Amino acid sequence: DAKTTQPPSMDCAEGRAANLPCNHSTISGNEYVYWYRQIHSQGPQYIIHGLKNNETNEMASLIITEDRKSSTLILPHATLRDTAVYYCIVRVQNKAAGNKLTFGGGTRVLVKP
Amino acid sequence: GAVVSQHPSWVICKSGTSVKIECRSLDFQATTMFWYRQFPKQSLMLMATSNEGSKATYEQGVEKDKFLINHASLTLSTLTVTSAHPEDSSFYICSARAIFTSGRANEQFFGPGTRLTVL
Repeated sequence: DAKTTQPPSMDCAEGRAANLPCNHSTISGNEYVYWYRQIHSQGPQYIIHGLKNNETNEMASLIITEDRKSSTLILPHATLRDTAVYYCIVRVQNKAAGNKLTFGGGTRVLVKP
Repeated sequence: GAVVSQHPSWVICKSGTSVKIECRSLDFQATTMFWYRQFPKQSLMLMATSNEGSKATYEQGVEKDKFLINHASLTLSTLTVTSAHPEDSSFYICSARAIFTSGRANEQFFGPGTRLTVL
């Protein structure tokens, strides 16, 4: 699976949008971009995933560049409960690949009042 | 839906004893479960992949005789840390791959984790 690069940490203000960048310049054509987050002392929580189109759900939006070498996770209105480590993962989505998720360092997001 | 539980949520044991951690998919069937370990301020590291009814596949560097994995049914996998030592103290997290026929089929859902402290 392709490797990802994320800033180690970022702060954002409560109520404002949080934009979390992720570089995945070696992504291949059949690899999806996944975002998970992990609140302190809990298991990771799925946020969103996409292949090449932008995606939106009730938690966040995912913007993938046209060349797919980077993406941005957008939390539209950050709350204090969004404080967590956010992981960007790219992987092939098929049974033969084992569906393994390889976690990198992630971005530690601190939402401040 | 798609809830994964772990038991216990935390455990303290003496060095040399064995500890069993259970991972259950509560409202779905999972042919594959994954076990991760996470040390403080570090990322999750995959330890092994277990498929129901077959032997687990361990990642490089993970001792299969020390971390025994049993995946006896489509809803239960267990991780036994044998002869635990203080360096095995960590946060152990499991995930289960759902076999839904639509929607987020083949996605992984994570348990809440088990914090193991070996004295």
